[in-house]
Amino acid sequence: GEDVEQSLFLSVREGDSSVINCTYTDSSSTYLYWYKQEPGAGLQLLTYIFSNMDMKQDQRLTVLLNKKDKHLSLRIADTQTGDSAIYFCAVPSSNTGKLIFGQGTTLQVKP
Amino acid sequence: NAGVTQTPKFQVLKTGQSMTLQCAQDMNHNSMYWYRQDPGMGLRLIYYSASEGTTDKGEVPNGYNVSRLNKREFSLRLESAAPSQTSVYFCASSEATAHYSNQPQHFGDGTRLSIL
Repeated sequence: GEDVEQSLFLSVREGDSSVINCTYTDSSSTYLYWYKQEPGAGLQLLTYIFSNMDMKQDQRLTVLLNKKDKHLSLRIADTQTGDSAIYFCAVPSSNTGKLIFGQGTTLQVKP
Repeated sequence: NAGVTQTPKFQVLKTGQSMTLQCAQDMNHNSMYWYRQDPGMGLRLIYYSASEGTTDKGEVPNGYNVSRLNKREFSLRLESAAPSQTSVYFCASSEATAHYSNQPQHFGDGTRLSIL
Protein backbone atom coordinates (compact mmCIF):
# COMPACT_ATOMS: atom_id res chain seq x y z
CA GLY A 1 0.00 0.00 0.00
CA GLU A 2 0.92 3.65 -0.15
CA ASP A 3 3.22 4.89 2.56
CA VAL A 4 4.72 8.14 3.83
CA GLU A 5 7.83 7.93 6.01
CA GLN A 6 9.49 10.49 8.27
CA SER A 7 12.18 10.25 10.89
CA LEU A 8 10.67 10.60 14.34
CA PHE A 9 13.01 13.09 16.01
CA LEU A 10 15.34 15.97 15.19
CA SER A 11 17.27 18.14 17.64
CA VAL A 12 18.97 21.41 16.64
CA ARG A 13 20.44 24.45 18.35
CA GLU A 14 18.66 27.79 18.20
CA GLY A 15 19.85 29.74 15.15
CA ASP A 16 20.81 26.63 13.17
CA SER A 17 18.91 25.37 10.13
CA SER A 18 16.58 22.39 10.49
CA VAL A 19 15.85 19.97 7.67
CA ILE A 20 12.92 17.59 8.03
CA ASN A 21 12.68 14.84 5.43
CA CYS A 22 9.78 12.84 4.05
CA THR A 23 9.68 10.00 1.54
CA TYR A 24 6.58 8.58 -0.09
CA THR A 25 5.77 5.64 -2.31
CA ASP A 26 3.28 7.31 -4.64
CA SER A 27 1.33 10.53 -5.06
CA SER A 28 -1.26 12.10 -7.25
CA SER A 29 -0.13 15.11 -9.24
CA THR A 30 -1.42 17.85 -7.00
CA TYR A 31 -0.35 19.54 -3.80
CA LEU A 32 1.91 18.12 -1.09
CA TYR A 33 1.68 19.61 2.39
CA TRP A 34 3.58 20.33 5.56
CA TYR A 35 1.64 20.69 8.80
CA LYS A 36 2.85 21.83 12.23
CA GLN A 37 1.39 20.57 15.51
CA GLU A 38 2.17 22.39 18.75
CA PRO A 39 1.56 20.66 22.10
CA GLY A 40 -2.12 20.17 22.87
CA ALA A 41 -3.23 21.65 19.57
CA GLY A 42 -4.46 20.49 16.21
CA LEU A 43 -2.51 20.48 12.97
CA GLN A 44 -1.85 23.84 11.38
CA LEU A 45 -1.15 24.11 7.66
CA LEU A 46 2.40 25.40 7.39
CA THR A 47 3.14 25.40 3.68
CA TYR A 48 2.59 23.37 0.54
CA ILE A 49 4.11 22.78 -2.87
CA PHE A 50 2.52 21.90 -6.16
CA SER A 51 3.82 18.73 -7.74
CA ASN A 52 5.18 20.53 -10.85
CA MET A 53 7.54 22.64 -8.70
CA ASP A 54 10.99 21.73 -7.38
CA MET A 55 11.24 24.37 -4.69
CA LYS A 56 9.09 26.84 -2.84
CA GLN A 57 10.36 29.49 -0.44
CA ASP A 58 8.20 31.24 2.14
CA GLN A 59 10.16 33.47 4.53
CA ARG A 60 12.22 31.10 6.73
CA LEU A 61 10.67 28.00 5.15
CA THR A 62 11.97 26.24 2.05
CA VAL A 63 10.23 23.21 0.61
CA LEU A 64 12.13 20.97 -1.80
CA LEU A 65 10.47 18.29 -3.92
CA ASN A 66 12.35 15.57 -5.78
CA LYS A 67 9.66 13.70 -7.69
CA LYS A 68 12.09 11.21 -9.20
CA ASP A 69 13.21 10.05 -5.74
CA LYS A 70 9.78 10.69 -4.17
CA HIS A 71 11.40 12.87 -1.54
CA LEU A 72 10.01 16.00 0.12
CA SER A 73 11.90 18.16 2.60
CA LEU A 74 11.20 21.17 4.78
CA ARG A 75 14.05 23.49 5.71
CA ILE A 76 13.61 26.00 8.51
CA ALA A 77 16.27 28.71 8.52
CA ASP A 78 17.39 30.37 11.77
CA THR A 79 15.39 27.91 13.87
CA GLN A 80 13.81 29.42 16.97
CA THR A 81 12.53 27.84 20.19
CA GLY A 82 9.01 28.64 18.98
CA ASP A 83 9.58 26.24 16.10
CA SER A 84 9.61 23.31 18.54
CA ALA A 85 6.68 21.15 17.45
CA ILE A 86 5.76 18.02 15.53
CA TYR A 87 5.93 18.41 11.76
CA PHE A 88 3.86 16.21 9.45
CA CYS A 89 4.17 15.80 5.73
CA ALA A 90 0.95 14.85 3.93
CA VAL A 91 0.79 13.41 0.44
CA PRO A 92 -2.39 12.75 -1.57
CA SER A 93 -2.96 9.15 -2.51
CA SER A 94 -2.78 8.41 -6.23
CA ASN A 95 -5.65 5.95 -5.71
CA THR A 96 -8.14 7.89 -3.61
CA GLY A 97 -6.91 11.48 -3.52
CA LYS A 98 -7.09 11.36 0.27
CA LEU A 99 -4.18 12.74 2.26
CA ILE A 100 -1.77 10.20 3.74
CA PHE A 101 0.18 11.57 6.70
CA GLY A 102 3.66 10.65 7.79
CA GLN A 103 4.30 9.64 11.40
CA GLY A 104 5.45 13.15 12.29
CA THR A 105 8.93 14.49 13.16
CA THR A 106 9.36 16.01 16.60
CA LEU A 107 11.66 19.03 16.32
CA GLN A 108 13.45 19.97 19.51
CA VAL A 109 15.19 23.36 19.52
CA LYS A 110 17.81 23.84 22.23
CA PRO A 111 18.68 27.35 23.41
CA ASN B 1 -12.51 33.10 13.55
CA ALA B 2 -13.62 29.79 15.05
CA GLY B 3 -12.68 27.53 12.11
CA VAL B 4 -13.19 23.90 13.21
CA THR B 5 -14.58 23.39 16.72
CA GLN B 6 -14.51 20.03 18.51
CA THR B 7 -16.26 19.07 21.73
CA PRO B 8 -15.46 17.81 24.25
CA LYS B 9 -11.72 18.47 24.58
CA PHE B 10 -11.18 15.60 27.06
CA GLN B 11 -13.21 12.54 27.97
CA VAL B 12 -12.69 9.39 30.02
CA LEU B 13 -14.94 6.41 29.34
CA LYS B 14 -15.29 2.92 30.68
CA THR B 15 -15.10 -0.04 28.34
CA GLY B 16 -18.50 -0.64 26.74
CA GLN B 17 -19.81 2.91 27.17
CA SER B 18 -20.97 4.93 24.16
CA MET B 19 -19.97 8.44 23.23
CA THR B 20 -20.46 10.98 20.44
CA LEU B 21 -17.72 13.40 19.49
CA GLN B 22 -18.98 16.61 17.96
CA CYS B 23 -17.40 18.70 15.22
CA ALA B 24 -18.59 21.91 13.57
CA GLN B 25 -16.96 24.17 10.96
CA ASP B 26 -17.90 27.69 9.99
CA MET B 27 -15.95 27.95 6.72
CA ASN B 28 -18.74 26.61 4.48
CA HIS B 29 -16.52 23.67 3.52
CA ASN B 30 -18.00 20.74 1.64
CA SER B 31 -15.73 17.98 2.95
CA MET B 32 -15.19 16.91 6.54
CA TYR B 33 -12.95 14.23 8.05
CA TRP B 34 -12.34 12.32 11.25
CA TYR B 35 -8.82 11.14 12.11
CA ARG B 36 -7.23 9.44 15.06
CA GLN B 37 -3.67 10.19 16.15
CA ASP B 38 -1.60 7.59 17.95
CA PRO B 39 2.07 7.87 18.93
CA GLY B 40 4.43 7.03 16.08
CA MET B 41 1.58 6.38 13.64
CA GLY B 42 0.71 9.79 12.30
CA LEU B 43 -2.92 10.46 11.51
CA ARG B 44 -5.19 7.73 10.26
CA LEU B 45 -8.46 8.50 8.52
CA ILE B 46 -11.53 6.98 10.18
CA TYR B 47 -14.38 8.36 8.06
CA TYR B 48 -14.95 11.26 5.74
CA SER B 49 -17.84 13.09 4.15
CA ALA B 50 -17.49 14.72 0.74
CA SER B 51 -20.84 16.49 1.00
CA GLU B 52 -23.90 16.79 3.18
CA GLY B 53 -25.69 13.46 3.33
CA THR B 54 -22.73 11.31 2.21
CA THR B 55 -20.17 9.46 4.29
CA ASP B 56 -17.42 6.99 3.40
CA LYS B 57 -15.05 4.73 5.27
CA GLY B 58 -11.41 5.62 5.64
CA GLU B 59 -8.46 3.50 6.72
CA VAL B 60 -9.66 2.48 10.21
CA PRO B 61 -13.50 2.64 10.38
CA ASN B 62 -14.19 -0.42 12.57
CA GLY B 63 -15.87 0.42 15.87
CA TYR B 64 -17.03 3.87 14.71
CA ASN B 65 -20.07 5.45 13.07
CA VAL B 66 -20.52 8.95 11.70
CA SER B 67 -23.31 11.35 10.87
CA ARG B 68 -23.12 14.37 8.59
CA LEU B 69 -25.97 16.24 10.21
CA ASN B 70 -25.78 19.24 7.89
CA LYS B 71 -23.05 21.09 6.02
CA ARG B 72 -21.54 22.44 9.25
CA GLU B 73 -21.58 19.41 11.52
CA PHE B 74 -19.98 15.97 11.38
CA SER B 75 -20.17 13.71 14.44
CA LEU B 76 -18.26 10.55 15.34
CA ARG B 77 -19.87 7.89 17.53
CA LEU B 78 -18.31 5.08 19.50
CA GLU B 79 -21.12 2.61 20.20
CA SER B 80 -19.20 0.36 22.60
CA ALA B 81 -15.85 1.87 23.53
CA ALA B 82 -12.77 -0.35 23.76
CA PRO B 83 -9.33 0.43 25.25
CA SER B 84 -7.85 0.23 21.72
CA GLN B 85 -9.85 3.35 20.90
CA THR B 86 -7.89 5.43 23.39
CA SER B 87 -6.47 8.14 21.17
CA VAL B 88 -6.59 11.78 20.18
CA TYR B 89 -9.35 12.40 17.65
CA PHE B 90 -9.17 15.22 15.14
CA CYS B 91 -11.84 16.62 12.92
CA ALA B 92 -10.89 18.49 9.75
CA SER B 93 -12.63 20.21 6.88
CA SER B 94 -11.67 21.31 3.39
CA GLU B 95 -13.07 22.89 0.25
CA ALA B 96 -12.71 19.58 -1.61
CA THR B 97 -15.90 18.82 -3.48
CA ALA B 98 -15.17 15.32 -4.76
CA HIS B 99 -13.25 12.31 -3.58
CA TYR B 100 -10.32 13.15 -5.82
CA SER B 101 -10.10 16.89 -5.19
CA ASN B 102 -7.02 17.87 -3.22
CA GLN B 103 -7.48 20.94 -1.04
CA PRO B 104 -5.76 21.84 2.24
CA GLN B 105 -7.46 20.55 5.34
CA HIS B 106 -8.14 22.68 8.40
CA PHE B 107 -8.05 20.95 11.77
CA GLY B 108 -9.76 21.34 15.11
CA ASP B 109 -7.80 21.17 18.37
CA GLY B 110 -8.73 17.56 19.02
CA THR B 111 -10.55 15.43 21.59
CA ARG B 112 -8.37 13.44 23.97
CA LEU B 113 -10.24 10.23 24.73
CA SER B 114 -9.20 7.63 27.31
CA ILE B 115 -11.01 4.33 27.65
CA LEU B 116 -10.41 2.36 30.81
